[in-house]
Amino acid sequence: GAVVSQHPSWVICKSGTSVKIECRSLDFQATTMFWYRQFPKQSLMLMATSNEGSKATYEQGVEKDKFLINHASLTLSTLTVTSAHPEDSSFYICSARKAGFRNEQFFGPGTRLTVL
Amino acid sequence: AQSVAQPEDQVNVAEGNPLTVKCTYSVSGNPYLFWYVQYPNRGLQFLLKYITGDNLVKGSYGFEAEFNKSQTSFHLKKPSALVSDSALYFCAVRRTTSGTYKYIFGTGTRLKVLA
Repeated sequence: GAVVSQHPSWVICKSGTSVKIECRSLDFQATTMFWYRQFPKQSLMLMATSNEGSKATYEQGVEKDKFLINHASLTLSTLTVTSAHPEDSSFYICSARKAGFRNEQFFGPGTRLTVL
Repeated sequence: AQSVAQPEDQVNVAEGNPLTVKCTYSVSGNPYLFWYVQYPNRGLQFLLKYITGDNLVKGSYGFEAEFNKSQTSFHLKKPSALVSDSALYFCAVRRTTSGTYKYIFGTGTRLKVLA
């Protein structure tokens, strides 16, 4: 199998606080994980590529100090939205690349973040 | 630059009728093309992919897609639509940057199957 989970599935927080979202590959090792952001009625936008044991690579226009990514193990990557503001409210989706499986990506169920 | 286009924001079809969701692509080299479905407040579910080989690709839930190189299209099809097929569908192309695979998604097409 190739199951990816995300926790939490939804979170509501106050403006100015930080929120951590976890992405786990449950039954395979993922050397690379990806973080996407999806605005209502829009497509997924790649935010960053996370490689285990190294710094994440951020897409143009994504603030790396705002969206902290840690990929400490082959099965876990975390995205921390620091000092969240209402404009950070969005649906965040991670995916994990399964090596040797034609390098396909498997997507998590997403996390809906609402910043009040 | 590699990209995909989904020209229709929404497609309406009656239950039992055939459905088509359109996708065109622009890539350099051989395209790796994908279709995903998204239900409300859920992540993406893989439907099917084209890497190489037969131009007609069969996937999950009775969906299929036809790769047409001359028209640079990869339209998603199903012979008989179900109300439960109503969802948001994304076409994607995979590109390689610095040895890492990245997916570029289309803007999505909302499929509405009417009972």
